[in-house]
Amino acid sequence: GAVVSQHPSWVICKSGTSVKIECRSLDFQATTMFWYRQFPKQSLMLMATSNEGSKATYEQGVEKDKFLINHASLTLSTLTVTSAHPEDSSFYICSARDASGLPNEQFFGPGTRLTVL
Amino acid sequence: QKEVEQDPGPLSVPEGAIVSLNCTYSNSAFQYFMWYRQYSRKGPELLMYTYSSGNKEDGRFTAQVDKSSKYISLFIRDSQPSDSATYLCAMIGGSNYKLTFGKGTLLTVNP
Repeated sequence: GAVVSQHPSWVICKSGTSVKIECRSLDFQATTMFWYRQFPKQSLMLMATSNEGSKATYEQGVEKDKFLINHASLTLSTLTVTSAHPEDSSFYICSARDASGLPNEQFFGPGTRLTVL
Repeated sequence: QKEVEQDPGPLSVPEGAIVSLNCTYSNSAFQYFMWYRQYSRKGPELLMYTYSSGNKEDGRFTAQVDKSSKYISLFIRDSQPSDSATYLCAMIGGSNYKLTFGKGTLLTVNP
């Protein structure tokens, strides 16, 4: 149990285009999902916390107009990178917290590798 | 000073060795301590979590927390080539349950 999927697993796009990444909890309901970004040989940096039915909470330094987050259901959150630029190239990982599980436990997706040309 | 410090390595050991991975932290509010394993180009996988000082064992893995020293460790006994991965410590403090990660230690176990 506790499986989180992400789609796509990798994407290449041109500079200036927008890219949407989906995060789904497959066998549990997730009231809270988190979006992380990981640069090569770096740790995971939390970008935003997404709560179902409400606006996301962004970490300091993360542009909310550039990284649009929607958490429309208990099993789906989306991250849209708008007007992507090469510096946005990174590994984007989501995690989800089981609404009925331990509050400190997060289950991670497999990640999405974004390359902006 | 970063909230969580972890030596990025890399660490290379022979098969069968005991591996010791460590993190220090500065935030006294951290209550939960986790170790994640991350294979290349994959998401992190939870290995162990603890919330009190002392040792917790699970198979070949032992997690150790010393809150007085703000120091946590992960020991891997009888290490295997399949243990080769990046190991990330992570901590949670406060009511928002946000994870703060260490930088990760890249471990290679050589057959």
